[in-house]
Amino acid sequence: GENVEQHPSTLSVQEGDSAVIKCTYSDSASNYFPWYKQELGKGPQLIIDIRSNVGEKKDQRIAVTLNKTAKHFSLHITETQPEDSAVYFCAASIGSNDYKLSFGAGTTVTVRA
Amino acid sequence: ETGVTQTPRHLVMGMTNKKSLKCEQHLGHNAMYWYKQSAKKPLELMFVYNFKEQTENNSVPSRFSPECPNSSHLFLHLHTLQPEDSALYLCASSQDAIAGSEQFFGPGTRLTVL
Repeated sequence: GENVEQHPSTLSVQEGDSAVIKCTYSDSASNYFPWYKQELGKGPQLIIDIRSNVGEKKDQRIAVTLNKTAKHFSLHITETQPEDSAVYFCAASIGSNDYKLSFGAGTTVTVRA
Repeated sequence: ETGVTQTPRHLVMGMTNKKSLKCEQHLGHNAMYWYKQSAKKPLELMFVYNFKEQTENNSVPSRFSPECPNSSHLFLHLHTLQPEDSALYLCASSQDAIAGSEQFFGPGTRLTVL
């Protein structure tokens, strides 16, 4: 089955700096890679996703890169703000079934003012 | 608000109790999911329903019993649970579980088993 490793588990950055979270996956058939943000007391919310036919995708201050050969993908948050503080999860589809996701263990991001 | 509501938000139960978790989605979706979220562990997919039919049971113990009476409602019936079942139980929905689409999560039910 799919195994997703996520690093680091915690990340503290100064406001305005960039944050990078990295994930690796094991199933070469995976073709969908979403990133979720979970704030305290809330469920995870999709912030960006990427499919295997694309190497990079950007949405304002958030970008995701995918290296299918190396089986790793990364989340980049630029110009971090206090409201970016949350737990971030990466996920990879189990095989080509988009709806079945294997999640990483999460990264707790703290943005220091 | 994501359009997915869960009740109760918190639940404490003994190992001999029977309780149910409820999830309702107001998004017109056809697929609904139950996940278990334990501290410092990845989200674990438990069950998937697509058009009211169960399409996935991820080797979940029988003390967890799902029910999907219609596409908008999903229940998780709990009985004779163990302390290690204490976790945040998340419900999610998506347009369907065939083509693949964004999953919208509810806020979860924090379950404590004594």
